[in-house]
Amino acid sequence: AQTVTQSQPEMSVQEAETVTLSCTYDTSESDYYLFWYKQPPSRQMILVIRQEAYKQQNATENRFSVNFQKAAKSFSLKISDSQLGDAAMYFCAYRSNAGNNRKLIWGLGTSLAVNP
Amino acid sequence: NAGVMQNPRHLVRRRGQEARLRCSPMKGHSHVYWYRQLPEEGLKFMVYLQKENIIDESGMPKERFSAEFPKEGPSILRIQQVVRGDSAAYFCASSPQTGDGYTFGSGTRLTVV
Repeated sequence: AQTVTQSQPEMSVQEAETVTLSCTYDTSESDYYLFWYKQPPSRQMILVIRQEAYKQQNATENRFSVNFQKAAKSFSLKISDSQLGDAAMYFCAYRSNAGNNRKLIWGLGTSLAVNP
Repeated sequence: NAGVMQNPRHLVRRRGQEARLRCSPMKGHSHVYWYRQLPEEGLKFMVYLQKENIIDESGMPKERFSAEFPKEGPSILRIQQVVRGDSAAYFCASSPQTGDGYTFGSGTRLTVV
């Protein structure tokens, strides 16, 4: 069975600085997706970035980028130029691309505080 | 095009009552997923449904929990005889058949008193 591990329950960063959130996963599959979701206090789940396993190039979305190391099964999220609005829970998630079942397997999350 | 609509946003039930949570998927989405988020935890998959079919219920407790996605109307997650441990946020997500465009609702927070 697939598992996702986030080893940092809490992180903090100064406004305008860079922070990296860690995520490792375990799977025997070769075709899958990885995601980072943001959950602010409003509780809405917001997709931050996604990575397809067969793509070697790391995904980037504005200030958000990932370091995807397939062999090491590592998928970290880097937030550059941190803003106060980035403060939230961040969840790493895995999704198999086999069959039609698109259920997500989640890590326990990292609570990110942004200090002014 | 409205997103995934969940209602109610907040639901309070006394122990032993029934809770019904509703999820209307995005227009054109035929796949629905339910997740539960316990306090201070990530989401746990509960059940995956297509119209009139339960495809994967491997994450759903065997007792007291059931889900449906009828041909017409929203998907319903039903919890009978609720207990305090059922208190959680319940999220619904929908997707089209291709799996792309996976979209979450805002969740229902269930509190059992």
